[in-house]
Amino acid sequence: SQKIEQNSEALNIQEGKTATLTCNYTNYSPAYLQWYRQDPGRGPVFLLLIRENEKEKRKERLKVTFDTTLKQSLFHITASQPADSATYLCALDLSGYALNFGKGTSLLVTP
Amino acid sequence: EPEVTQTPSHQVTQMGQEVILRCVPISNHLYFYWYRQILGQKVEFLVSFYNNEISEKSEIFDDQFSVERPDGSNFTLKIRSTKLEDSAMYFCASSLYISTDTQYFGPGTRLTVL
Repeated sequence: SQKIEQNSEALNIQEGKTATLTCNYTNYSPAYLQWYRQDPGRGPVFLLLIRENEKEKRKERLKVTFDTTLKQSLFHITASQPADSATYLCALDLSGYALNFGKGTSLLVTP
Repeated sequence: EPEVTQTPSHQVTQMGQEVILRCVPISNHLYFYWYRQILGQKVEFLVSFYNNEISEKSEIFDDQFSVERPDGSNFTLKIRSTKLEDSAMYFCASSLYISTDTQYFGPGTRLTVL
């Protein structure tokens, strides 16, 4: 069955450092991969989408890589700030009509 | 900036009762979705809707669930006879194109079944 794995352990980093989150998947050949941010009690908020033919994508302090050979995506936040503290979700398309989400990795940025 | 809205923010109901969760998707979007998130678990797909019909549904979306777009702006999820295990956050989402496009999520309705 299709699986998405994100590090279940919370990631604690100091303000100003780069946070790196990992998303691994199995039994998938996704056309694209998305990253979302979720704050407690709120809906997911879209951050970045990367397609299978793209190796890297950037948006301001965010960078996503997509390695279809390793079946892995890395999500980086540079110059992290306490406001970046949230849960970050990786999502892959199930069928063209639905997203399959990972459980997410909680990020805590301390001053 | 346009956003997806959902009402109510919190719904408490007795087991066996029917509930209707309401959503107003972004006005020019064509695809609509419902997801749910049980506390501490991942966001799970329920159903997608396009051109006034269901385009995809998950195993969770059984006969107790139905969706409707009663007018040009609202999108509803009905649970006919709620169970304790239906307690979750329910998120509505919409996208301009199919899910290869960004999905915009609403703030959610917290459903508590007693």
